[in-house]
Amino acid sequence: NAGVTQTPKFRVLKTGQSMTLLCAQDMNHEYMYWYRQDPGMGLRLIHYSVGEGTTAKGEVPDGYNVSRLKKQNFLLGLESAAPSQTSVYFCASSYRGNEQFFGPGTRLTVL
Amino acid sequence: AQSVTQPDIHITVSEGASLELRCNYSYGATPYLFWYVQSPGQGLQLLLKYFSGDTLVQGIKGFEAEFKRSQSSFNLRKPSVHWSDAAEYFCAVGSGYSTLTFGKGTMLLVSP
Repeated sequence: NAGVTQTPKFRVLKTGQSMTLLCAQDMNHEYMYWYRQDPGMGLRLIHYSVGEGTTAKGEVPDGYNVSRLKKQNFLLGLESAAPSQTSVYFCASSYRGNEQFFGPGTRLTVL
Repeated sequence: AQSVTQPDIHITVSEGASLELRCNYSYGATPYLFWYVQSPGQGLQLLLKYFSGDTLVQGIKGFEAEFKRSQSSFNLRKPSVHWSDAAEYFCAVGSGYSTLTFGKGTMLLVSP
């Protein structure tokens, strides 16, 4: 039982490049979330999903897109990376809106 | 809109001393409340949660928290801090049906 896993763990991009972060969970959770964490800002919700095929915007959605084609996977895309998107990205999942289980994070640097 | 305030950005506690981390929330209904801990370079781990019932909840690693509706608070406590407790602590509030709102975190430093 791996819980929540994130791929990759680290990534360096140049401004304007695109990439996709993958989150996978094996707990059969309905809800999945993408956060970014920046120093002094806590966790800010980017997008979330309450079920397969559904997505919704969070607090800071601009510059990101998501897809939930399978219940166990939640993808976060950056179409044209900017230095302001340098951050640590966390994925989480939960059974409905209860306690969230977090992945280990992806550290992204945009040059 | 719901919100969470953690008034202390940093706290330093001597090893063996007691600890209290403050959390105040704003929420229109009965809240679901959580405390998470994050060690450097790691994801967040749930320490404890409050949904209903007894207002004093016990968590892992010897932590407890007390829900005080009149004060809109959910403070985290530990009677004796260990060096391994040094980490960042996040309080969160939600409805139980959707998203959580996190506080900005309190960094705990433990001195010898």
